[in-house]
Amino acid sequence: EVQLLESGGSVIQPGGSLRLTCVASGFTFNSYAMSWVRLTPGKGLEWVSSISANGGYTNYADSVRGRFTISRDNSKNTQFLQMSSLRAEDTAVYYCAKRVTYSSGYFDYWGQGTLVTVSS
Amino acid sequence: EIVLTQSPGTLSLSLGERATLSCRASQSVGSSYLAWYQQRPGQAPRLLIYGASIRATGIPDRFSGSGSGTDFTLTISRLEPEDFAVYYCQQYDTSRDTFGQGTKLEI
Repeated sequence: EVQLLESGGSVIQPGGSLRLTCVASGFTFNSYAMSWVRLTPGKGLEWVSSISANGGYTNYADSVRGRFTISRDNSKNTQFLQMSSLRAEDTAVYYCAKRVTYSSGYFDYWGQGTLVTVSS
Repeated sequence: EIVLTQSPGTLSLSLGERATLSCRASQSVGSSYLAWYQQRPGQAPRLLIYGASIRATGIPDRFSGSGSGTDFTLTISRLEPEDFAVYYCQQYDTSRDTFGQGTKLEI
């Protein structure tokens, strides 16, 4: 059974930094691209960032480029999202999502999400 | 960036009725790289449809997807209680995915 377990969400002040972690199980982690997608009350689902299976290719939404960094450790079946210079508009539930191929495609499995609240 | 516009924003229907949800793209979505997801309150999104019309594993056949190019539709033939949720379309044709803003299906 595929499982994705996120952690790391918390309440953080504007300008602060946070690292989200997603631990995967139930599939061959190093064969699939992974992503982060966030849910905000006003905007719905927003794709944030993706990383290819071997970590060699990453891309980001314009809203987070230069502030967020995605990475993965295939030896630990884990992906990360390092978030810095956080803004109020980054407040959201962040989901870890598995893609269906090595590099792209739709999301066939999602974690339960971790809440990030950016507030002073 | 491909912008996806879903309509209506909210759809109010009764059990047993047919629901038709629309997703329109600002430019053509190549190879019908369009998916639909269902999200119930407090739960993770769930994949329903990919490739515009292919049901994901375990999805009941009352859910169907259609369309190509810029116009796509999700149809739920006979609404069950568990179908009342928010539905999102997503294009994965480009290197930067985009989602529609969602359609809330309510009783």
